[in-house]
Amino acid sequence: KQEVTQIPAALSVPEGENLVLNCSFTDSAIYNLQWFRQDPGKGLTSLLLIQSSQREQTSGRLNASLDKSSGRSTLYIAASQPGDSATYLCAVFRTSYDKVIFGPGTSLSVIP
Amino acid sequence: GAVVSQHPSRVICKSGTSVKIECRSLDFQATTMFWYRQFPKQSLMLMATSNEGSKATYEQGVEKDKFLINHASLTLSTLTVTSAHPEDSSFYICSASPTGRWSTEAFFGQGTRLTVV
Repeated sequence: KQEVTQIPAALSVPEGENLVLNCSFTDSAIYNLQWFRQDPGKGLTSLLLIQSSQREQTSGRLNASLDKSSGRSTLYIAASQPGDSATYLCAVFRTSYDKVIFGPGTSLSVIP
Repeated sequence: GAVVSQHPSRVICKSGTSVKIECRSLDFQATTMFWYRQFPKQSLMLMATSNEGSKATYEQGVEKDKFLINHASLTLSTLTVTSAHPEDSSFYICSASPTGRWSTEAFFGQGTRLTVV
């Protein structure tokens, strides 16, 4: 059974700091992994999608890596800004989008 | 943790028919639920925000007459795909958050795989 965990559960950093969010999954047989952010009262915003054959994806100040063998993904945020404050979720898709397991999320607060 | 139940998990229907997908919060009340859609190899896309007792808010490009959303109670939202066509085949997922608490408490259904033949 696939389990997805995220560490830390909450994180507070001063503005401008680089930070890393971690996502771990127990079953390496995944289809892809996706990082989302969720703002209070809003739905999910997709940040980065990593196919199982890929190791890294970048978008602006965000970089996500995937190591299937170790069951890990990291989301790196460079030069954090107060607008980055949100909950970050990773989601693991098992096979062809039939089953999605979300991590519990990391609540990020960037202090001006 | 809180549970969001989505039903059915898989459905196959004929072109031209309508399909209803249910999203239930089992142990909490949810004023707002969200519906997402995902095409193969693409990200989840927010379709609409379902508000209890009022009309849903649809994202740009989503046909409100095609995807009917009803949020009749604090624990149930339904998405009806009307006059379904093969291009509506996709993976649909809902999420809900307990009323009044928005921080990290967002819970998701396990999704519905719709195949229109």
